[in-house]
Amino acid sequence: DVVMTQSPLSLPVTLGQPASISCTSSQSLVHSDGNTYLHWFQQRPGQSPRRLIYKVSNRDSGVPDRFSGSGSGTDFTLKISRVEAEDVGVYYCMHGTLWPPITFGQGTRLEIK
Amino acid sequence: EVQLVESGGGLVQPGGSLRLSCAASGFMFSSYWMSWVRQAPGKGLEWVANIKRDGSETYYVDSVKGRFTISRDNAKNSLYLQMNSLRAEDTAVYYCARERALAIWGQGTMVTVSS
Repeated sequence: DVVMTQSPLSLPVTLGQPASISCTSSQSLVHSDGNTYLHWFQQRPGQSPRRLIYKVSNRDSGVPDRFSGSGSGTDFTLKISRVEAEDVGVYYCMHGTLWPPITFGQGTRLEIK
Repeated sequence: EVQLVESGGGLVQPGGSLRLSCAASGFMFSSYWMSWVRQAPGKGLEWVANIKRDGSETYYVDSVKGRFTISRDNAKNSLYLQMNSLRAEDTAVYYCARERALAIWGQGTMVTVSS
């Protein structure tokens, strides 16, 4: 199984400052079809998860452009250019390349300092 | 509006059974793979199962194989999860989600396995 490792697990950030979350996979996530099925999700307190980014760097509809994804192979990053209060929550990376099983990272809890 | 609405959760004794449902609306249900994902209280996300568009292929996480069955009724725009031989460690909020890439999520339904 592919193990997804996120860091940090806790991320205190000052409003208006940038934030960055790392996700590392135990195997390359490049699929034989050429795509890399690495996705990012946000879960605000008391809400269902919501997908933010799909296939490394594609923002979902309605996702603010302060969110961006990058990376390749086994190393990926979610960046928030300027953190806002509504960004508080837990962020998860997930792979969909070498499945089953589909696996998630442990989650990174973003809080405002 | 694209929407997924889960139902069927509740309290069940260890060894018991429960059937979860997910009603889809706002999109062509039969055109998408569908998934179940769960989240134990205070824990992270765990993928549970997937089913192909026509129901011909299903996949499960090892911990539920032989106990859970994912199915769908495209005529009713509905997804199901039959859960048998439930254990305390199955206690979680269960979400249905559209696609293997989990593009859209429902609000979840809570399953509690306890005596």
